[in-house]
Amino acid sequence: DTGVSQDPRHKITKRGQNVTFRCDPISEHNRLYWYRQTLGQGPEFLTYFQNEAQLEKSRLLSDRFSAERPKGSFSTLEIQRTEQGDSAMYLCASSPAVGRDEQFFGPGTRLTVL
Amino acid sequence: AQSVAQPEDQVNVAEGNPLTVKCTYSVSGNPYLFWYVQYPNRGLQFLLKYITGDNLVKGSYGFEAEFNKSQTSFHLKKPSALVSDSALYFCAVRESNTGGFKTIFGAGTRLFVKA
Repeated sequence: DTGVSQDPRHKITKRGQNVTFRCDPISEHNRLYWYRQTLGQGPEFLTYFQNEAQLEKSRLLSDRFSAERPKGSFSTLEIQRTEQGDSAMYLCASSPAVGRDEQFFGPGTRLTVL
Repeated sequence: AQSVAQPEDQVNVAEGNPLTVKCTYSVSGNPYLFWYVQYPNRGLQFLLKYITGDNLVKGSYGFEAEFNKSQTSFHLKKPSALVSDSALYFCAVRESNTGGFKTIFGAGTRLFVKA
């Protein structure tokens, strides 16, 4: 399978704990996106990478959230001091560099904060 | 600011009938417009896009969409619905002029196709 993969698929944590999610994009894609999706809503943009550079970050993203893509390949999204409001599906997507703007989505990581 | 509206939470259609899922958008410049579909327990999948050129774009699974600049709409259509088209559909927009890549999604429209 050469699609976008995310790990873990499910994460249950207690409020106040830190969590980290991983995304492996399609290998030749240099653009990578993170979204958050809650029930009944569409994906909400969090951040965007082109190669290893984080070029856009939503103002909705609090300082508890950080994302990295150190070698321009996989990416991690960390949430520090989780809150119940962080419970959501976290989606990763990737797209090729030039000429194609559609995004290829992974299956998501479902986070539940107790 | 960019925004997308999908005015219908749910659309019901009989198999074999034409379907339309509505989308309107707001951007300050020229839009890049997309439709994605989400089947149960599966990730979002790209259906079609409008970047430039012909206002009628064709995509996967027999779907098409018409870009209407004056009405700022990008409605998704299919001439003959299938039960297997039942899914959650999302319209999305990205503003092309700024060079940014922030994509805004609508809240989604659930399509039910009845046999």
